[in-house]
Amino acid sequence: DAGVTQSPTHLIKTRGQHVTLRCSPISGHKSVSWYQQVLGQGPQFIFQYYEKEERGRGNFPDRFSARQFPNYSSELNVNALLLGDSALYLCASSLDYRVSPLHFGNGTRLTVT
Amino acid sequence: AQRVTQPEKLLSVFKGAPVELKCNYSYSGSPELFWYVQYSRQRLQLLLRHISRESIKGFTADLNKGETSFHLKKPFAQEEDSAMYYCALYGGATNKLIFGTGTLLAVQP
Repeated sequence: DAGVTQSPTHLIKTRGQHVTLRCSPISGHKSVSWYQQVLGQGPQFIFQYYEKEERGRGNFPDRFSARQFPNYSSELNVNALLLGDSALYLCASSLDYRVSPLHFGNGTRLTVT
Repeated sequence: AQRVTQPEKLLSVFKGAPVELKCNYSYSGSPELFWYVQYSRQRLQLLLRHISRESIKGFTADLNKGETSFHLKKPFAQEEDSAMYYCALYGGATNKLIFGTGTLLAVQP
């Protein structure tokens, strides 16, 4: 079981820069969700994609965007980085868009300086 | 508003003692509730979901709609249960899980 894979594992950026985070779901899973986890908090929903279409969006500014590719992998993009964007970004996959058990990756730790 | 509250940031118990991790939710419809667990240096993983009504690793959780609670219980804690536990609510229409802030369970030998 390869599990959900995310890259990179760690990333350091400066304010104002742009970042792209990548996620490969478990084979056969068609839905990918992105969560942001700030230290001391639970994961907070950012996006969900299913069959390349956005199925849900959390309360995040337009600086955050995502997409899903034909092979169901996904990218999360964040523009004009702020210090407050420093967090662990989690990707989760599931069989379909309705939340079946979510399978999480190990996350990408983003630090904005 | 949809919300999940886990009032305890840390719960410390001795091995063999009973454990109850509290979770309260706010949701107007029929919620689906989950417990996720994160062991040290491991990824977040599903522990159990209320619709399954199953016991995983000795843990159970019962949905109490009257009290809007979904507390996680285990009669006898083991050291390997030490982990971060998150309660989560699926709101349905928004296709998202809403997580609580988590409770760190520390089981002392």
